[in-house]
Amino acid sequence: DGGITQSPKYLFRKEGQNVTLSCEQNLNHDAMYWYRQDPGQGLRLIYYSQIVNDFQKGDIAEGYSVSREKKESFPLTVTSAQKNPTAFYLCASSIGQGTGRGYTFGSGTRLTVV
Amino acid sequence: DQQVKQNSPSLSVQEGRISILNCDYTNSMFDYFLWYKKYPAEGPTFLISISSIKDKNEDGRFTVFLNKSAKHLSLHIVPSQPGDSAVYFCAASEETSGSRLTFGEGTQLTVNP
Repeated sequence: DGGITQSPKYLFRKEGQNVTLSCEQNLNHDAMYWYRQDPGQGLRLIYYSQIVNDFQKGDIAEGYSVSREKKESFPLTVTSAQKNPTAFYLCASSIGQGTGRGYTFGSGTRLTVV
Repeated sequence: DQQVKQNSPSLSVQEGRISILNCDYTNSMFDYFLWYKKYPAEGPTFLISISSIKDKNEDGRFTVFLNKSAKHLSLHIVPSQPGDSAVYFCAASEETSGSRLTFGEGTQLTVNP
């Protein structure tokens, strides 16, 4: 079964630490995205990548970094510079370059700073 | 600048009745609109979409209406079922230019048995 896998489902981080969230897809999709969900604020785009070895900042990229070394993988690092990292993080992929059609989402990672 | 807005954070309806979820947008270049459904601790799943060349699209119990002049779309669920209880996100894109999706804030729908 093709799909998009995020791990871990729950993650706890101490203040001042960097942490990396994993996102892997086997759908052969070109584009991948990272969103953050906070209560009452919907889904806000952190970073996106349309092809391997290329990525662009979204609306709230400060304090985050990404890489896209393989088509299947788009890990997100939450750095210590991110002021309020506690949130639900969602990874998505789509067939075309930035197309609005056919976004497939992972099941999310809940990050909590302790 | 919130280009896609869902002004109702929550909606509660009785089982069997109609649920109407609303969405407004400001960017006149948007030409493709989608609704996603999200359960707690899960990723959103695609529900239904509509292109700007249409004003209505129907799929079973779900119908999306688009009013381009008012920059407004709505999702109708008839009849509503308890399993429909979820957060519903409206999203839009400039499909012809290949832009990414812009999401609204979401509306929590609760269908009471």
